[in-house]
Amino acid sequence: GAGVSQTPSNKVTEKGKYVELRCDPISGHTALYWYRQSLGQGPEFLIYFQGTGAADDSGLPNDRFFAVRPEGSVSTLKIQRTERGDSAVYLCASSLNPTGNNSPLHFGNGTRLTVT
Amino acid sequence: AQKVTQAQTEISVVEKEDVTLDCVYETRDTTYYLFWYKQPPSGELVFLIRRNSFDEQNEISGRYSWNFQKSTSSFNFTITASQVVDSAVYFCALSAPSNDYKLSFGAGTTVTVRA
Repeated sequence: GAGVSQTPSNKVTEKGKYVELRCDPISGHTALYWYRQSLGQGPEFLIYFQGTGAADDSGLPNDRFFAVRPEGSVSTLKIQRTERGDSAVYLCASSLNPTGNNSPLHFGNGTRLTVT
Repeated sequence: AQKVTQAQTEISVVEKEDVTLDCVYETRDTTYYLFWYKQPPSGELVFLIRRNSFDEQNEISGRYSWNFQKSTSSFNFTITASQVVDSAVYFCALSAPSNDYKLSFGAGTTVTVRA
């Protein structure tokens, strides 16, 4: 079946611009996560959705970052006034359910964001 | 607080050699889950294994094996008879209730298998 799909795969933008990154989770997965991976580092948690609501956004670095999941499926990560330090690979993951039996996360290929 | 440490940044081996990746974790929870993921050059994180803290039985899956030692807070991963296709970055990760089961990743170990 289809895995987690992220678009675009690469995004180059100028400092100060606004960007949107899209994630299509696996069908039927209620939990959706955004992670950010800088070069040479492990992924770092940004935000997690259970259904339509953001259950935990404690990893968002500042108020320039925002994410939505209006219908409980596709999610969009939005970054305003981008800075060069935002350059990273943004990974999306989904799971059948987030807690309890701790379903493994299934990751997409990521969006590589470069801010020039 | 929880933390995952992968002390080895890079490992290079010749094909058919065995390679062991170290993972040491810290958590205050008594119930937790440990994971290994593989990230090939394509970038996708591929799930390899999940273990819960109550199951210390070692596991083997083909050329992969995992050694969970609760006494030393370690969850090491061995690739036997390595192949070029094993070249990737491998991440160890931890999730626990005190952190709402969010995955905490180590920094990763880059494995290069030379033909």
